[in-house]
This record gives sequence, C-alpha cells and structure tokens, in this order.
Amino acid sequence: QKEVEQNSGPLSVPEGAIASLNCTYSDRGSQSFFWYRQYSGKSPELIMFIYSNGDKEDGRFTAQLNKASQYVSLLIRDSQPSDSATYLCAARAGGFKTIFGAGTRLFVKA
Amino acid sequence: EAQVTQNPRYLITVTGKKLTVTCSQNMNHEYMSWYRQDPGLGLRQIYYSMNVEVTDKGDVPEGYKVSRKEKRNFPLILESPSPNQTSLYFCASSFGTGGSGANVLTFGAGSRLTVL
Repeated sequence: QKEVEQNSGPLSVPEGAIASLNCTYSDRGSQSFFWYRQYSGKSPELIMFIYSNGDKEDGRFTAQLNKASQYVSLLIRDSQPSDSATYLCAARAGGFKTIFGAGTRLFVKA
Repeated sequence: EAQVTQNPRYLITVTGKKLTVTCSQNMNHEYMSWYRQDPGLGLRQIYYSMNVEVTDKGDVPEGYKVSRKEKRNFPLILESPSPNQTSLYFCASSFGTGGSGANVLTFGAGSRLTVL
C-alpha cells in the first residue's frame, strides 16, 4: 500500500512565527508532490507543488523536497491566524493516482 | 469561471436506495477523480478516469460505480448505499498529462452524504 504520512497535529504556533509541516511518502516512484490547504467545511485548494529536489518558494510559503529521504515539507513564514487550516500533503507517481496524507491541523494564535 | 460542480451538496438517504452524485468540470480536463474524506483518514481515492471511457479503481472502490461518457462529466453511483458510505465526497479534475503542474487537482465544493 502506497502511503503518505503526516503528523495529524494539531500544530500550534504564535502569530508571526514559522510553521513547519512535514510529510513522508513510501513510493519511491512518486514524481510530483503537492501541498493543499483545507479550511473547515471547504474543499482543498492548492498551495504549492514541487517535483525537483531542493526548495521552492512562493511568497510566505516554501516547499522542500528530499527524494533520497522521501520527505516533503512546507514552511509558512510570518504565520497569520488566517493560515489556521488543515494542510494536506499529496504525492503522485508515474501512474494516475494521487495519494493524500491524512493532513496536519495548524492553529495560529493571535 | 473555471470550476468543478458537484450535486447534490447535501443528501440524506436510506440503506439500499440507489443514488448518483454528479460531477461536471468546464476546464476541458482529461483527468477526473472521486475521493471520500473521513475524520482521521484523510482523502481516499475511490475511482479515477484518464479520459472518456477510461476509468480505474482507486483505493476504496467497493460499493461504488462510475462512468465517463463525456469528457466534462464523471458521476459517482452508489447502487445500494450502506451506512459505512456516510462521508464527505469530493470530485476533482486536472489536465492530467504533461508537466507536473498539469497534475494539480481542482476540487468541487464537496457532497456530504448520510446513509441511514
């Protein structure tokens, strides 16, 4: 069974701090990795995707990928209360299935 | 507006009464997929489709059927619903081929189904 694992949290950080979300995946054939944000009662929406080793930055968000360690992370700088949500990590292999982790709940305290 | 539309958004039904959840996208996406979301289990893939008349099972296909007769539509059919199919269902689509960005999923608003 191909898996994507995340710490369910909740992860609580103060406003303005850096939130660090982590994810591991079991399928070494995975090629693309995604971070989605899901507010309570809403559908997931894409934050970032990454497919090359290293860092990818977009505004306050940085995704990091280490294929050798099968590890993906998302850093949120200057965290805001509006960042409070569940963050879903997903991996897609060469086939056509996207596997999601169970998500990490993030609380940003004002 | 580019979107994935699901209907109904909310449904309460009884065991054994066949139902269909519709999904339609207006982005000319080739790839469409159904997920169910349950507390603590995250999003689990039910079925997906790479193109018209091409479908395949995801991780939890039991009790579900799908069809892809047109590119824009991908209905989810529960022939004989049971209480363990009570869940939040999401339809999603993507371009599906090409670069990694083509695999980004656009989700519908979700359909909350309760089977009594």
